[in-house]
Order: sequence, then C-alpha cells, then structure tokens
Amino acid sequence: DGGITQSPKYLFRKEGQNVTLSCEQNLNHDAMYWYRQDPGQGLRLIYYSQIVNDFQKGDIAEGYSVSREKKESFPLTVTSAQKNPTAFYLCASRPGAGANVLTFGAGSRLTVL
Amino acid sequence: AQKITQTQPGMFVQEKEAVTLDCTYDTSDPSYGLFWYKQPSSGEMIFLIYQGSYDQQNATEGRYSLNFQKARKSANLVISASQLGDSAMYFCAMREYRGNQFYFGTGTSLTVIP
Repeated sequence: DGGITQSPKYLFRKEGQNVTLSCEQNLNHDAMYWYRQDPGQGLRLIYYSQIVNDFQKGDIAEGYSVSREKKESFPLTVTSAQKNPTAFYLCASRPGAGANVLTFGAGSRLTVL
Repeated sequence: AQKITQTQPGMFVQEKEAVTLDCTYDTSDPSYGLFWYKQPSSGEMIFLIYQGSYDQQNATEGRYSLNFQKARKSANLVISASQLGDSAMYFCAMREYRGNQFYFGTGTSLTVIP
C-alpha cells in the first residue's frame, strides 16, 4: 500500500540535542511538506520541497533544517536552536504542479525533557 | 490577517443529526482550492472534501458536503447523519494556486453524543 511513513512515532530529547524525524513516501509524489501542530494553533508550515535538492522555508523555519536528496525522503532535523520544540510534527506530500490534495503521515510526537 | 478562520473551537451534535462546521477564508487570488481534513485522536490527517474556486456546484462526498459561498468567502462543512466515529478535530485549509503553500485553520473539535 502506498503512503507516508513517519518515524519515530514518539521521541524524547534532552535540551541541547539535535533530533531528526524521518519521512518516507512511496507515492511517487514530487512535493513534500513538514508541519508543526501545537494545541489550539492548527498546522504551521516549517519547510516544503517541490523537487529533489530544492526546498523553501515556511512560516516557522527557524531552528529547523531539512534535506531532499531523494524524491521519496524528506527528513526534518530539530536543532538545539529551536527554543520550544515540544510538538506534534506532520509530514505530507502531493503529486506536484496542479495537484491539490495533501496526503499526510501519522505524525511524530517530540517531547523535550 | 488570517488566511483561514474557524470560529468554533468545539461543537456537540446528537448522533444521527446534521452539523455545520464554519470556515471563512481570505485571499485575493482568483484561483484557489478549499479543503477539509479530519484528525482523529490518533493524529493522522484524513482528507474529506475539496472545492475549487471555479466549481459551480458545491462539493459532496458521501455524508460530507461543502457549503461554498464565494461572495461571503465561506466554505462550511456539513456532516449529515452524524456517527460516533465522526468525533474528531476538523480542519479547514486553503491553497492559493499562485503558490505552493497550504493554509490551515485552528480547527474545530466535534463531539458526537449518543
């Protein structure tokens, strides 16, 4: 079955540590997105990528980094520069230009201790 | 200004009744798409329904329909014959075709009462 796999589902991190969240899709989608969800604030865009080796900052990119070396993979690194990283992170993808519907992964919940 | 506004933080509906979840949007782009997603307690976002700005008719998908009022910039979701499994968070979203971003509202928590 095609879909988006996010791992790990739950992650605990000590302050000052970087952590990488994995996002893999087998849908052959061109575009991939990372969102952060906090209670009462909906989804906020961190980064998105339209094609391999290219990505753009979203509204809250500070303290995060991404890479897009392969079409199917779009990992997100939460760096120690992110002041309040505890949140639910959602990865999404869509086929590409003109295609509208975002398909989401199951999410990763990061807790900083 | 907020691109998507959902003014109902929480809603209750009796099982088998219909419920309307409100969504207003703000854009100057004549071409855009409007979406509704459902998020159960598991966290995954499930696509429900889509409406294009040039679509003449309101979109429908099974028990879901989108009440699209372009002049008022509203895109309300109507769920008919509510079921217990409809209890979840519901998010309205918009994509302006000149860009690649999707804008999400803050969501409405729907609880279906037996």
